[in-house]
Amino acid sequence: EAGVAQSPRYKIIEKRQSVAFWCNPISGHATLYWYQQILGQGPKLLIQFQNNGVVDDSQLPKDRFSAERLKGVDSTLKIQPAKLEDSAVYLCASSLEGGLAGTSYEQYFGPGTRLTVT
Amino acid sequence: AQTVTQSQPEMSVQEAETVTLSCTYDTSESDYYLFWYKQPPSRQMILVIRQEAYKQQNATENRFSVNFQKAAKSFSLKISDSQLGDAAMYFCAYRVIQGAQKLVFGQGTRLTINP
Repeated sequence: EAGVAQSPRYKIIEKRQSVAFWCNPISGHATLYWYQQILGQGPKLLIQFQNNGVVDDSQLPKDRFSAERLKGVDSTLKIQPAKLEDSAVYLCASSLEGGLAGTSYEQYFGPGTRLTVT
Repeated sequence: AQTVTQSQPEMSVQEAETVTLSCTYDTSESDYYLFWYKQPPSRQMILVIRQEAYKQQNATENRFSVNFQKAAKSFSLKISDSQLGDAAMYFCAYRVIQGAQKLVFGQGTRLTINP
């Protein structure tokens, strides 16, 4: 079974430029998560999708970050314009089903995209 | 709001020895899950072990076991017979059972294995 795929693995941009990250979850996984991991910290959820609907985007800086999940499969996370403090690893994760009470489906993580903003 | 705290930024252990990583959390929920994830230099988060809060028995997975103290809100990870491949960042994480399934992570502990 293929894992969660992310691209690119690395990206270097200048501040005020725009960037996009792509994630392909494990086949059949309804729930997709984007986490931001700043160096020296644990990951923090940015946005959670259930199929192609947003479940939680409370910590997404909506003035510069946007995300979409077309057709409930692949997802794209965009930053425009980027700031220095956006330098981080962006992790995508997926799970079978995230909305059922009492379920404990494991979240599978991709390798992440390391973004450096100069 | 739920918070997870790992008070040990770095730990080291001799190969084949035992090491314990600490984690405390704060929540008003009675039902939740707790996890330990491993993150090697490749950056991919790997689930090590999981504990359901309603279970009194501590979870074990081969050389990995936890000490779950619900009243104290403590969740430590014990690694027995440490191996060089155990070297990584270890993150403690919390998740509620009801509602959104996001993981709340601690700051991490970097574990070094000395040969």
